[in-house]
Amino acid sequence: LAKTTQPISMDSYEGQEVNITCSHNNIATNDYITWYQQFPSQGPRFIIQGYKTKVTNEVASLFIPADRKSSTLSLPRVSLSDTAVYYCLVGFSASKIIFGSGTRLSIRP
Amino acid sequence: DSGVTQTPKHLITATGQRVTLRCSPRSGDLSVYWYQQSLDQGLQFLIQYYNGEERAKGNILERFSAQQFPDLHSELNLSSLELGDSALYFCASSVDPLQVTNEQFFGPGTRLTVL
Repeated sequence: LAKTTQPISMDSYEGQEVNITCSHNNIATNDYITWYQQFPSQGPRFIIQGYKTKVTNEVASLFIPADRKSSTLSLPRVSLSDTAVYYCLVGFSASKIIFGSGTRLSIRP
Repeated sequence: DSGVTQTPKHLITATGQRVTLRCSPRSGDLSVYWYQQSLDQGLQFLIQYYNGEERAKGNILERFSAQQFPDLHSELNLSSLELGDSALYFCASSVDPLQVTNEQFFGPGTRLTVL
């Protein structure tokens, strides 16, 4: 299973764009890249998933370069409610994913 | 609301005791996963069931066991409890673990406190 590396923590301010980068050097050909968000004392919540190039939904964008060895989750105009832990995972099915330590994002007023 | 339910929400017990945590997956989901999350720690995968059968095993202690019933609800049994077993226990479900999607739907968790 592909291992991921992401920053332990990040700080930003309300209204800013936040980019969290994840490294996954040994990603397999059929692996997808997925991001989850977890608020304190709640279960993680699926945010976005992609295979290559760019994916955008109502809450985030996911940028994946051609070599797929890294990916960047972009949160536009963050608010205090975006303070959470963000997990980057790679895998090809729901039963083949591993949650790492995640990135603790803190948003300040 | 993910559609996954877990009971109880909180559980306080003593060392050496045994407890059972219950999970009902989303309607239509065949796969159930159990995770343990200790204070300020990441999610540790414990075990997965698919349609009643054990599918994958993670870092699950021998004192812990689980099962998935014909109605697809699942129970996680924790026995000979130790102080270190205090944690949040999450259940998640997915539609079909062989589908090309990494989406799992998580329940609200059961907070276990062992005194």
